[in-house]
Amino acid sequence: EAGVAQSPRYKIIEKRQSVAFWCNPISGHATLYWYQQILGQGPKLLIQFQNNGVVDDSQLPKDRFSAERLKGVDSTLKIQPAKLEDSAVYLCASSSPRTSEETQYFGPGTRLLVL
Amino acid sequence: AQSVTQLGSHVSVSEGALVLLRCNYSSSVPPYLFWYVQYPNQGLQLLLKYTTGATLVKGINGFEAEFKKSETSFHLTKPSAHMSDAAEYFCAVEGNQFYFGTGTSLTVIP
Repeated sequence: EAGVAQSPRYKIIEKRQSVAFWCNPISGHATLYWYQQILGQGPKLLIQFQNNGVVDDSQLPKDRFSAERLKGVDSTLKIQPAKLEDSAVYLCASSSPRTSEETQYFGPGTRLLVL
Repeated sequence: AQSVTQLGSHVSVSEGALVLLRCNYSSSVPPYLFWYVQYPNQGLQLLLKYTTGATLVKGINGFEAEFKKSETSFHLTKPSAHMSDAAEYFCAVEGNQFYFGTGTSLTVIP
């Protein structure tokens, strides 16, 4: 079974530029998550999708961050414009619909450096 | 609301010694609890999870954790540390939302 795919693996941009990350979840997984992991901290949930609908985006900085999952499969996360404090690893995870338990499977992440 | 506290951002043990990584949680609903491991430059990998049933949970690589409701704890243990266990370990709780702790970096001394 293929895992969660993310691209690019690394990205370096200057502040005020735009950047987009892509995630392809495990086949059949209805739930998709985007996390931000700042160096030395635990991952912080940015947004959670169930199919193509948003379940939770309470911690997404909506003035600059946006995410979509139009067909309920792969997803993109965009930052526009980027700030220095956005430097972090952006993790995508997916899980199958809840039955009695739910396990998130993580991709390798995209490491973003904003200069 | 949920939260997770990992006591000790850095833990060092000798090879062959007991590993104990501490995690305390708070949750307004019965929680699901997880331990993830992150090796350098890699994604998070699930070690083990507690949902319901038996409170002692066994995971991969010889790790186990015990859910203690009275202590609101879910500490991770391994009887004998191996060099390959050196990594960052994250405790996580899922109630109404999913929260990770800040992580504990485990160093294994030869």
